[in-house]
Amino acid sequence: AQSVTQLGSHVSVSEGALVLLRCNYSSSVPPYLFWYVQYPNQGLQLLLKYTTGATLVKGINGFEAEFKKSETSFHLTKPSAHMSDAAEYFCAGEGGSEKLVFGKGTKLTVNP
Amino acid sequence: NAGVTQTPKFRVLKTGQSMTLLCAQDMNHEYMYWYRQDPGMGLRLIHYSVGEGTTAKGEVPDGYNVSRLKKQNFLLGLESAAPSQTSVYFCASSYSPLRGVYNEQFFGPGTRLTVL
Repeated sequence: AQSVTQLGSHVSVSEGALVLLRCNYSSSVPPYLFWYVQYPNQGLQLLLKYTTGATLVKGINGFEAEFKKSETSFHLTKPSAHMSDAAEYFCAGEGGSEKLVFGKGTKLTVNP
Repeated sequence: NAGVTQTPKFRVLKTGQSMTLLCAQDMNHEYMYWYRQDPGMGLRLIHYSVGEGTTAKGEVPDGYNVSRLKKQNFLLGLESAAPSQTSVYFCASSYSPLRGVYNEQFFGPGTRLTVL
């Protein structure tokens, strides 16, 4: 089982600026990693997932994440932030025994 | 398809009262999960089930019980509610891992529970 750490509980960007949300994992085996988004008063929705293969994963709404084994990272990026991207984002990884383990979340604010 | 639904959406309890939260999914998923979400804590797994009639403890199981009598339903019970159980509860479901590959979980809209 691995652990997942999200760096920064709050991130604030201007509309049109780059979005970078950081996630690091600890695992001695190739991990399965996910990014979820939670809009206010809603459940979580899958943005993208990494299983095997290509290390650059494209998701919905223009988000992508790159799996870097050497850095044990799976950071989420979007080239240009939109007001509608304001939400909380969760990184998750396999937690062993058919479970996922979630990071504590990063709340993204987009300023006009 | 409705996906994952949760009943009720909101509930206020007094300390010591009991209640059951219902989760239903129409995607024929084998696995189902109950999480609680508290500010700054992310999602913490309470209990989960890998199939009809089976349940297992997660990270924070104390004070909760679950049952999975039907594949599509997963019930979470609080026998004697405490203020520390004030939280937002999410249910999720997924297909079983295929050849070790984890599948994504699909989440319900949540139940906001306040215990006074």
